[in-house]
Amino acid sequence: QLVVTQSPSASASLGASVKLTCTLSSGHSSYAIAWHQQQPQKGPRYLMKLNSDASHSKGDGIPDRFSGSSSGAERYLTISSLQSEDEADYYCQTWDTGIVVFGGGTKLTVL
Amino acid sequence: EVQLVESGGGLVKPGGSLRLSCAASGFTFSNAWMSWVRQAPGKGLEWVGRIKSKTDGGTTDYAAPVKGRFTISRDDSKNTLYLQMNSLKTEDTGVYYCWNFVGGYWGQGTLVTVSS
Repeated sequence: QLVVTQSPSASASLGASVKLTCTLSSGHSSYAIAWHQQQPQKGPRYLMKLNSDASHSKGDGIPDRFSGSSSGAERYLTISSLQSEDEADYYCQTWDTGIVVFGGGTKLTVL
Repeated sequence: EVQLVESGGGLVKPGGSLRLSCAASGFTFSNAWMSWVRQAPGKGLEWVGRIKSKTDGGTTDYAAPVKGRFTISRDDSKNTLYLQMNSLKTEDTGVYYCWNFVGGYWGQGTLVTVSS
């Protein structure tokens, strides 16, 4: 069964970097994922698509501070030079024939 | 500028029906595979279902919790996506978003409340 797993929460200081993790279920380590950001009281915003080879394509207007990487079944979103507006929920998402799956989301707190 | 604008949300009793619309602009809607995603209060994102473009067959897929109750359709002449929701349950309450994954486009959402 295709599942993506995220830690419920993360925190980092203003100006620092943070790396969020999304883990694909067993047998699905080659799958691409996408990252989405949802700021408080707003709709989701597409950040990037991330392939297993770590190549990625970002959405329009997404700053260079947001980058993606991969290792095995893990997909990462790194946010550098954290700003207050980066405090948000971050969702990873993947797909297969006839199905789309979202992770439970990681709530990022900027200290 | 790409826009996805949902409408049609509101309060409905359990067992009732509601039809949501999503008006698209700024991209070639007829070529797009379109999805609905929902978010229950205080919860994460949940995929509801998807419709392919007519050139790719126009077929639909649904998440298990809504299969048989919800129907996604499209009118490419109006650049509009629809979600017909029947036999609504209290657990269907939430904000419903229109979404095009390939383009990375999200709507602003419309709130559906199922309550007696």
